[in-house]
Amino acid sequence: DAKTTQPTSMDCAEGRAANLPCNHSTISGNEYVYWYRQIHSQGPQYIIHGLKNNETNEMASLIITEDRKSSTLILPHATLRDTAVYYCIAARGGSNYKLTFGKGTLLTVNP
Amino acid sequence: NAGVTQTPKFRILKIGQSMTLQCAQDMNHNYMYWYRQDPGMGLKLIYYSVGAGITDKGEVPNGYNVSRSTTEDFPLRLELAAPSQTSVYFCASGLGQGAHEQYFGPGTRLTVT
Repeated sequence: DAKTTQPTSMDCAEGRAANLPCNHSTISGNEYVYWYRQIHSQGPQYIIHGLKNNETNEMASLIITEDRKSSTLILPHATLRDTAVYYCIAARGGSNYKLTFGKGTLLTVNP
Repeated sequence: NAGVTQTPKFRILKIGQSMTLQCAQDMNHNYMYWYRQDPGMGLKLIYYSVGAGITDKGEVPNGYNVSRSTTEDFPLRLELAAPSQTSVYFCASGLGQGAHEQYFGPGTRLTVT
């Protein structure tokens, strides 16, 4: 699976959009980009995934560059409950779906 | 649905003791996983299973064993506990076969002293 690089930490004001970047310059054509988050002491929670196209769900939007070497997770209106470690993972989907978690980005949403 | 449940929530073991971490899911998922998370680090895959009777090693399998006799349960066995196994253990499940989301349990915090 391709290695991903994320900033160690980021801050965001409550109510503003949080934009979390991720670099995955060695991603292969059959690897998806997954985002999970982990609120303190809890199990990780799936947020969103994408292959080529931008994706949106009720939690977030995922913007993938055309060359697929980087992506951005967008939380449109961050709340205090969005404070968590966010993991960007590149992995093959399908029957051999295993995740490799790095250290992620600690997003702190400030009042 | 209860989702993914794990027991116990906390446990302290002495060096050399053994124990089984329990994991169960009620979503009829074929795929189940065990991860460990050391302080300040990401999760590492220990073992996974793609269905009852089938298990395979992940990134850090040494010191652990698993079995998968039913779809619902995926216990993780620690033999001869060592301080290096002090960690938080997360169990997860997923549909696999092209489905993308993994569902995680609340974790078991294990301390070996």
